[in-house]
Amino acid sequence: DADVTQTPRNRITKTGKRIMLECSQTKGHDRMYWYRQDPGLGLRLIYYSFDVKDINKGEISDGYSVSRQAQAKFSLSLESAIPNQTALYFCATSDRGQHNEQFFGPGTRLTVL
Amino acid sequence: DAKTTQPTSMDCAEGRAANLPCNHSTISGNEYVYWYRQIHSQGPQYIIHGLKNNETNEMASLIITEDRKSSTLILPHATLRDTAVYYCIVRAGSNDYKLSFGAGTTVTVRA
Repeated sequence: DADVTQTPRNRITKTGKRIMLECSQTKGHDRMYWYRQDPGLGLRLIYYSFDVKDINKGEISDGYSVSRQAQAKFSLSLESAIPNQTALYFCATSDRGQHNEQFFGPGTRLTVL
Repeated sequence: DAKTTQPTSMDCAEGRAANLPCNHSTISGNEYVYWYRQIHSQGPQYIIHGLKNNETNEMASLIITEDRKSSTLILPHATLRDTAVYYCIVRAGSNDYKLSFGAGTTVTVRA
């Protein structure tokens, strides 16, 4: 969905490096999410935010941190990247409606060597 | 959230209806059935959701059994662009943020 953008789209890095993935949205949604996807598996929730400066852990938050300084932006950081963090990362947004359908970005493919 | 069970894969002929089953025998009364799909490494896309009544939109129809223990997503006229992984997800509605993605069903539409 063009309303949710992620940068970079691809990144190769080395073990121990700090990496930041950025997500921006123009949908005006309050809620934002970070997921990771490993080959052949479904998505798993890393962190989510319901408002600016609201941060909540998901299923697999260890090794990750996030920042939500503005409604439209939600960044994911890997403080010291390790090879098993190699994955496809998706950002998503939703509004506060009852069924809060989630809109996903195009994904960031991260490889940690 | 209730667990869902879907077939690993299925094929469908282009132009024919694709019927995707999902079992959710432990679904509770306040939980909805949602369907998303993911086209080759793109971000997942919402398709449809329902509680107990059958639902239809421009993309698909959702048929939920009377006991709500299973459902079927119907793509009425499958095209090659419908080739994707389809996820059946059960979750509560209001204020429930969480989407729990399983492995889904890989649907291949063949010409």
